[in-house]
Amino acid sequence: QQQVKQSPQSLIVQKGGISIINCAYENTAFDYFPWYQQFPGKGPALLIAIRPDVSEKKEGRFTISFNKSAKQFSLHIMDSQPGDSATYFCAASSSGGGADGLTFGKGTHLIIQP
Amino acid sequence: EAGVTQSPTHLIKTRGQQATLRCSPISGHTSVYWYQQALGLGLQFLLWYDEGEERNRGNFPPRFSGRQFPNYSSELNVNALELEDSALYLCASSPGTFYGYTFGSGTRLTVV
Repeated sequence: QQQVKQSPQSLIVQKGGISIINCAYENTAFDYFPWYQQFPGKGPALLIAIRPDVSEKKEGRFTISFNKSAKQFSLHIMDSQPGDSATYFCAASSSGGGADGLTFGKGTHLIIQP
Repeated sequence: EAGVTQSPTHLIKTRGQQATLRCSPISGHTSVYWYQQALGLGLQFLLWYDEGEERNRGNFPPRFSGRQFPNYSSELNVNALELEDSALYLCASSPGTFYGYTFGSGTRLTVV
């Protein structure tokens, strides 16, 4: 019920290409869906987040697409750059996130080849 | 603005010992969260502290405990360490009304 399933586990994309990472959830009480980016030796950093009242949110080269009926959301990285190489985590929460914390996917290791 | 700071960066303990990890939130943030990032398990919610009180805990045994001090800094204690407790422990903070976490760089705990 509380799981967030993330795929793929690893992804290799050529520089300039589009990176797509997908997540699916089961708990319909989730109302906040952030994406985090983590570089080796660092903590995760909030990249972009969406709430279920919108189907898409774009910030620079990063876009979240959200499908409430399918209980799926995805991260698209346009014009992928070598500096985007990192591990990406999707997450979800209910009650604003504080009450039960964030439920994270297991992560996607993204490599952008120059 | 200083970010979330955690200490120590690395900690090596022997099985059965106790470990104490510390976290200083961003100035003005009253909520502190602890997460465990174990290899292959992703990030798992441990504890949430707000205004000095434990508000919620994840699915971890009672030997994981902590507290939040009047200055909103926090301490995570892990008693009776087991080898499986080896992980990166991340602290995050947020303003009282949650709309996004800021994580620290973590404490790498190794139990031998």
